[in-house]
Amino acid sequence: AQSVTQLGSHVSVSEGALVLLRCNYSSSVPPYLFWYVQYPNQGLQLLLKYTSAATLVKGINGFEAEFKKSETSFHLTKPSAHMSDAAEYFCAVSETSGTSYGKLTFGQGTILTVHP
Amino acid sequence: DAMVIQNPRYQVTQFGKPVTLSCSQTLNHNVMYWYQQKSSQAPKLLFHYYDKDFNNEADTPDNFQSRRPNTSFCFLDIRSPGLGDAAMYLCATSRATGRVSGEQFFGPGTRLTVL
Repeated sequence: AQSVTQLGSHVSVSEGALVLLRCNYSSSVPPYLFWYVQYPNQGLQLLLKYTSAATLVKGINGFEAEFKKSETSFHLTKPSAHMSDAAEYFCAVSETSGTSYGKLTFGQGTILTVHP
Repeated sequence: DAMVIQNPRYQVTQFGKPVTLSCSQTLNHNVMYWYQQKSSQAPKLLFHYYDKDFNNEADTPDNFQSRRPNTSFCFLDIRSPGLGDAAMYLCATSRATGRVSGEQFFGPGTRLTVL
């Protein structure tokens, strides 16, 4: 079974400050890991994904995440927050074997607020 | 642009009145998924189609059904909507080879209101 825990349901930062959104996962097999962003009343947009290649993954809009197997973590960072980054962020895990056909298990989400 | 389209974006129905939500895709992906996302919660997978093979999640209520008449279209039918079914319904697609699937692409969602 796989699971995802996002630490902090709400994170607030100032514009220009570092963004750090935390994600820990549990998986019985090597996972694929994803970060999605959701703006109000919209679908989910993929920010970045880890699929067993480089452990530091760069995504869109200046975001990146580092896969740390020893810590079972996949935290999302951005050096300098922009007002347009305000949204809800979901971490998700997908197993790479079995009958899951890429079934995603999502964390509970983190709402990012950016203050001027 | 290749994309996932959901219609309508907003749907209002009455308690107990059947409703159908539509999803279409131009990505030619072989897997299509339906998720339910209630307010302030994570998306929850209801079921998915791998080609024509239907895969229901164990805890998806019988009230929810799905049809996939061809590769491009997938429908979500709610036979007797209850107040608890009010949510955002998200359609997603992916390309799978064997048992390994690529990333999922999501549509904009349909927000269902039940009166």
